[in-house]
Amino acid sequence: QVQLKESGPGLVQPSQTLSLTCTVSGFSLTSYTVSWVRQPPGKGLEWIGAIWSGGSTDYNSALKSRLSISRDTSKSQVLLKMNSLQTEDTAIYFCTRARGIRGFFDYWGQGVMVTVSS
Amino acid sequence: DVQMTQSPSNLAASPGESVSINCKASKSISKYLAWYQQKPGKANKLLIYSGSTLQSGTPSRFSGSGSGTDFTLTIRNLEPEDFGLYYCQQHNEYPPTFGAGTKLELK
Repeated sequence: QVQLKESGPGLVQPSQTLSLTCTVSGFSLTSYTVSWVRQPPGKGLEWIGAIWSGGSTDYNSALKSRLSISRDTSKSQVLLKMNSLQTEDTAIYFCTRARGIRGFFDYWGQGVMVTVSS
Repeated sequence: DVQMTQSPSNLAASPGESVSINCKASKSISKYLAWYQQKPGKANKLLIYSGSTLQSGTPSRFSGSGSGTDFTLTIRNLEPEDFGLYYCQQHNEYPPTFGAGTKLELK
């Protein structure tokens, strides 16, 4: 059974760094791409970035300078780090499994709410 | 980036009715469009990909059509569990981009 579960702090101070973990089960990180997607309160979905099955990464160009995605295959975990957080980064952060070379998302985690506030 | 314009933003219907949601891409995306359902407290659910291919487990009352820039999600004979938010997403090129969503509400 495919599952993804996000974890991390619910509250981050402005200018600080966000660290989120996506723990997956039911599939291998060396066989599938995992992407992060976020959703500000009451707004739509925004793709943040991805780590491919081979370990390379792709990032949203608007966030690229602040973003890092990595993985620990031994723990079946994908890690997202975003620095210099601002209030507009307040959102639900989802990790997703992408299927095939074309990025549609066949499984999603429930998401973790991150609030940027002092 | 490919811009996705989804309409309508809100839609009210009754169980048993049929509804359609539209999605327009700013340039051709061939057939590569996905539809998702979002409901509070549940993981987002992939309904359709590649324009018209039903994801395993998606009820047959859901159908997708279109190619190029114009796509439609149709839900026939609405069931109570179908009410929620729906998003389209192009998966023709990176970065993947989403429509703004359609809220399907009970009339």
